[in-house]
Amino acid sequence: GENVEQHPSTLSVQEGDSAVIKCTYSDSASNYFPWYKQELGKGPQLIIDIRSNVGEKKDQRIAVTLNKTAKHFSLHITETQPEDSAVYFCAAGYNTDKLIFGTGTRLQVFP
Amino acid sequence: NAGVTQTPKFRILKIGQSMTLQCTQDMNHNYMYWYRQDPGMGLKLIYYSVGAGITDKGEVPNGYNVSRSTTEDFPLRLELAAPSQTSVYFCASTRNMGQGLKGYTFGSGTRLTVV
Repeated sequence: GENVEQHPSTLSVQEGDSAVIKCTYSDSASNYFPWYKQELGKGPQLIIDIRSNVGEKKDQRIAVTLNKTAKHFSLHITETQPEDSAVYFCAAGYNTDKLIFGTGTRLQVFP
Repeated sequence: NAGVTQTPKFRILKIGQSMTLQCTQDMNHNYMYWYRQDPGMGLKLIYYSVGAGITDKGEVPNGYNVSRSTTEDFPLRLELAAPSQTSVYFCASTRNMGQGLKGYTFGSGTRLTVV
């Protein structure tokens, strides 16, 4: 079955710097790769997603890149702000039933 | 439109007790899921359902049961609670009409402690 590895587990950056979180997946059939943000005490919220027919997708300060050959995808946050502090999860899945999640990255943005 | 609603938000159980975690969604989503999140860890899939009357096991189904009698509701049953089931439980849903997975909508979670 699918296995998703996520790095780093914690990431501290200064406000205004960029943050990059990386994930690798094992099942070459996976074709959907969402990213979720989880704030303290809340459920995860979808922030951006990408499908395997696209190499990059951007939404304001957030971008996701996908390398199908290497089976890895990354989340890029530019001009980080304190409100970006949260736990971020990547996930991978195929057309059918379910997503498999990475173990999460705790991002801290210091003012 | 309330999204995904989970009840209760918090619960303390004694070892060997049973309980049902409730999950309901009002978005007419056909797919529903139960995940558990242990402290500092990721999300592990317990059970999922692709429609009313259909359920399937995820990565960690032991000690749990589910049912899906309606599109809206997907309760998770814990029988004979054990300390290893102390966790935060999230219910999620999505619409999948055969055109590929879409992002899940998560509930706000149920924090369960077994003592």
